[in-house]
Amino acid sequence: DIQMTQSPSTLSASVGDRVTITCRASQSISRWLAWYQQKPGKAPKVLIYDASTLESGVPSRFSGSGSGTEFTLTISSLRPDDFATYYCQQYNSYSPYSFGQGTKLEIK
Amino acid sequence: QVQLVQSGAEVRKPGASVKVSCKASGYSFTDYYVHWVRQAPGQGLEWMGWISPNSGVTNQAQRFQGRVTMTRDTSIGTVYMELSSLSSDDTAVYFCARDGEPSGNHYWFDPWGQGTLVTVSS
Repeated sequence: DIQMTQSPSTLSASVGDRVTITCRASQSISRWLAWYQQKPGKAPKVLIYDASTLESGVPSRFSGSGSGTEFTLTISSLRPDDFATYYCQQYNSYSPYSFGQGTKLEIK
Repeated sequence: QVQLVQSGAEVRKPGASVKVSCKASGYSFTDYYVHWVRQAPGQGLEWMGWISPNSGVTNQAQRFQGRVTMTRDTSIGTVYMELSSLSSDDTAVYFCARDGEPSGNHYWFDPWGQGTLVTVSS
């Protein structure tokens, strides 16, 4: 099975900051990676898929990059609505899919 | 709009089973695989398996094999996930989620249902 490891687990930042979250796969997944945002009590929402494709309607301050085993999600200038938990997910292997453990983005 | 609407919260005793439904609307039901993902309180996301609404073929994560059953009713555009032999470790929010693209290849999940809380307690 492919293990996904996110860092950091918690990130404290301020409105206007640029932040980066990293996701590493235990083996190459090409570009088969998505990023989700989850707010308390809500379902996850896709932000980025295929490592760098921005989902329709998602603000352009979100961007994704990487391939193989190392990926990043960058938020260029934090807005108050961005404080949430972020998950990466690999969908390279047909079975099983797997998620990172999550990164909680907190207000400093 | 594309939407997945799940059934309401459930409470079960240890050893019992639970069946959660996920009703799809706004798209061609049989064209997209549907996945089930669960999230224990305060924890991360765990993929459980998928079902092809077209063929009824399913694939489950190894840790759930033999304990989870995924079915569908094409006449009402609904998929179901039944989990048996429940223990307190199965207390979680259960989400259904559609593949981001049709055809059954490997894709991200979009959209997601609102989630169903299943509580297992004696």
